[in-house]
Amino acid sequence: AQSVAQPEDQVNVAEGNPLTVKCTYSVSGNPYLFWYVQYPNRGLQFLLKYITGDNLVKGSYGFEAEFNKSQTSFHLKKPSALVSDSALYFCAVRSWGYSGGGADGLTFGKGTHLIIQP
Amino acid sequence: AAGVIQSPRHLIKEKRETATLKCYPIPRHDTVYWYQQGPGQDPQFLISFYEKMQSDKGSIPDRFSAQQFSDYHSELNMSSLELGDSALYFCASSLVAGGPETQYFGPGTRLLVL
Repeated sequence: AQSVAQPEDQVNVAEGNPLTVKCTYSVSGNPYLFWYVQYPNRGLQFLLKYITGDNLVKGSYGFEAEFNKSQTSFHLKKPSALVSDSALYFCAVRSWGYSGGGADGLTFGKGTHLIIQP
Repeated sequence: AAGVIQSPRHLIKEKRETATLKCYPIPRHDTVYWYQQGPGQDPQFLISFYEKMQSDKGSIPDRFSAQQFSDYHSELNMSSLELGDSALYFCASSLVAGGPETQYFGPGTRLLVL
């Protein structure tokens, strides 16, 4: 079984400050990790993903995430937060390789509300 | 760029009725996924189809069924609706043929069961 933990229900950051949204995962086989953002009454928008290669992944809107295999973490970061970054952020995982197929579903964390204060 | 299209966007049904949700994947994508997101909850994977064959199965109730057609669109059929089926239903699509790829989500169908 695979699982994702997002330990913070809400993260508050002042505009212009760096932000971090935490995510840890558990999966059999190789992890395939994602971050998605959801605005109110909207669908999920893809931000970035990690499959293999460099541990630091850069994505949309200035976001990046660092894969740490030993800590089984994939924290989302941004050097300078904008008010428009306020939204609900989901970390997701699936395995691939010996236990996962190409069309497997994602397992999501509970989500973290990011609030950027002007 | 073209995105995933879902219809209808909103649906209101009575208990014990049936509902059909439709999903049109991004052009040239070969895989479709269905997710259910309850109020204040994270999305839960229901089922996926690759090249018109069921690929992976999650927490889809027996009252629900789905299929992918020759044009790659997919339909989620829901019968004997219950109050607890009220949720946002997302469809996602990806191109798997070349290896595991990003799932792109549609805007969702909001189902309300009264």
